[in-house]
Amino acid sequence: DTGVSQDPRHKITKRGQNVTFRCDPISEHNRLYWYRQTLGQGPEFLTYFQNEAQLEKSRLLSDRFSAERPKGSFSTLEIQRTEQGDSAMYLCASSTRPPGLADRSSYEQYFGPGTRLTVT
Amino acid sequence: DQQVKQNSPSLSVQEGRISILNCDYTNSMFDYFLWYKKYPAEGPTFLISISSIKDKNEDGRFTVFLNKSAKHLSLHIVPSQPGDSAVYFCAAKQAPGTASKLTFGTGTRLQVTL
Repeated sequence: DTGVSQDPRHKITKRGQNVTFRCDPISEHNRLYWYRQTLGQGPEFLTYFQNEAQLEKSRLLSDRFSAERPKGSFSTLEIQRTEQGDSAMYLCASSTRPPGLADRSSYEQYFGPGTRLTVT
Repeated sequence: DQQVKQNSPSLSVQEGRISILNCDYTNSMFDYFLWYKKYPAEGPTFLISISSIKDKNEDGRFTVFLNKSAKHLSLHIVPSQPGDSAVYFCAAKQAPGTASKLTFGTGTRLQVTL
């Protein structure tokens, strides 16, 4: 396991359809994050998990979005009733929990290649 | 409300010269800063980071400087190489015990010319 993987890499769907994306983090990482990136912007935080617990959700994450990490390993992000405004790159990242305040290197998040969603 | 700002959308530098990418932030709760590099069709790749208790961190050709009083940081790349051509994002994280999310700037596209 050399990095974060995401599937699929590209998804084209019609408005109103449901889509689901998968993220497999680096195996020893217990924190997993989802971000969304649109053209000309930096990644924007959506949600994150520590093990299987979802600890924070952004206001960007409307009721149509749901994320799970059932066994604390891989995660899925589902978008229901997709809208054209959902078209974006969806990025997953993982990191380890800092064992102590001195080990700030654990704050680094490692990103997967992303899933490009196009809603027509 | 853009809490992390990269005011230069693009930068062109000759190979061998120094590239300086700038980043400003407004949230005084940020205490850890990171730079990421992104190639087209790939996810961001971690480059270098700095804690707010330091004012400089160096890793090979990459150096990050932090001016906490000015809420400003910069990434220096020297010497610049054509392979450095990419979009660079500045990101910030709040102190431990609060949100673990990263807040990103809008990026600066660096082009290193021959």
